[in-house]
Amino acid sequence: LAKTTQPISMDSYEGQEVNITCSHNNIATNDYITWYQQFPSQGPRFIIQGYKTKVTNEVASLFIPADRKSSTLSLPRVSLSDTAVYYCLVGGYYTGGFKTIFGAGTRLFVKA
Amino acid sequence: EADIYQTPRYLVIGTGKKITLECSQTMGHDKMYWYQQDPGMELHLIHYSYGVNSTEKGDLSSESTVSRIRTEHFPLTLESARPSHTSQYLCASTSSGSDSPLHFGNGTRLTVT
Repeated sequence: LAKTTQPISMDSYEGQEVNITCSHNNIATNDYITWYQQFPSQGPRFIIQGYKTKVTNEVASLFIPADRKSSTLSLPRVSLSDTAVYYCLVGGYYTGGFKTIFGAGTRLFVKA
Repeated sequence: EADIYQTPRYLVIGTGKKITLECSQTMGHDKMYWYQQDPGMELHLIHYSYGVNSTEKGDLSSESTVSRIRTEHFPLTLESARPSHTSQYLCASTSSGSDSPLHFGNGTRLTVT
């Protein structure tokens, strides 16, 4: 099962674009890559999911290179309310069951 | 907009007590999950269910047990709480698709004294 590695923390300023990269060298063919946002005392909230290439939704973009050994979450023009922990998740359903690996999370601090 | 509800939000209980953490979802999702998260740490899967009468153990060994008698309900029970069980417990659900993302509740923060 893929192990994921993310930077522990990042700082940014309001209005900037933030890119958070997650490494998952041993990703399996079945695995999807999903990013979550978590605020204190809340459960993680889904941001975006992809399998390969680029995915974009109304809040973020996800870039996945052809080898799928890493992924980059891009948050355009962050605001103070984007201060949170961001988790990369790799996993899915296998013949033997369901497995997920959450990274330790990247603590993003957005400053005014 | 929470469609998955966990109660209680906070629980402080003494060693040796039996506790049940409740989780219900109104989305009609077949699959449900329990994760354990220590402060500032990653989430670890401890139980999951494919549907009614299905329960499976996750990646992290846990002394807790789960049941799935109804689609919408997936309670977690600790028969005899210990201080080592102090943690946050997060319930989640997904629809049937293999790529469906997890929908999480807001968790129960358990403290065993």
